[in-house]
Amino acid sequence: AQSVTQPDIHITVSEGASLELRCNYSYGATPYLFWYVQSPGQGLQLLLKYFSGDTLVQGIKGFEAEFKRSQSSFNLRKPSVHWSDAAEYFCAVGVWKAAGNKLTFGGGTRVLVKP
Amino acid sequence: EAGVTQFPSHSVIEKGQTVTLRCDPISGHDNLYWYRRVMGKEIKFLLHFVKESKQDESGMPNNRFLAERTGGTYSTLKVQPAELEDSGVYFCASSQVQRNSPLHFGNGTRLTVT
Repeated sequence: AQSVTQPDIHITVSEGASLELRCNYSYGATPYLFWYVQSPGQGLQLLLKYFSGDTLVQGIKGFEAEFKRSQSSFNLRKPSVHWSDAAEYFCAVGVWKAAGNKLTFGGGTRVLVKP
Repeated sequence: EAGVTQFPSHSVIEKGQTVTLRCDPISGHDNLYWYRRVMGKEIKFLLHFVKESKQDESGMPNNRFLAERTGGTYSTLKVQPAELEDSGVYFCASSQVQRNSPLHFGNGTRLTVT
């Protein structure tokens, strides 16, 4: 069975600084990978996705993630954090099953942004 | 395009009562999923519909939970009778029936059982 680990429960970063969130997955085949963000009072918003092809994926809000098969990782990065990036971030691996993508989520990383 | 809509946004009920959550998927999305996050733990899969058919309900906790999607449009998730451990945030998501179609989530329903 697939699993996802987000090692950092909380991260505090200064506004304008760079951000990297770690995600490691376990899955026997080539995974479908996703990052979602949940801002306070909001639902889960898709930041970016990887299905195949270029291992560096660009997403919304200036985020990018890199798929590294050898490390079973899909880390999320942003060069310069804005105060509005304070939120909880979830990495997920998807398995195509029964005509749908069944997601397994990591535990989430809560990002605090200092002024 | 309207997103996935869930209501109510919050529900507070007493143990033993019944609650029904509703989800309206994005128009044209035949896939509909329910997920749940309990007390800051991982977001867990509950079940998956393709149109009106349940394709996978392996994540449903027990028979107190009943999900329906009559007509293949909106879906309801009923909890009867509710227990304290059912408290959490229930998310609905929808997608097209394509491998590269990501899940689009609603804002969730926060359920509190007292």
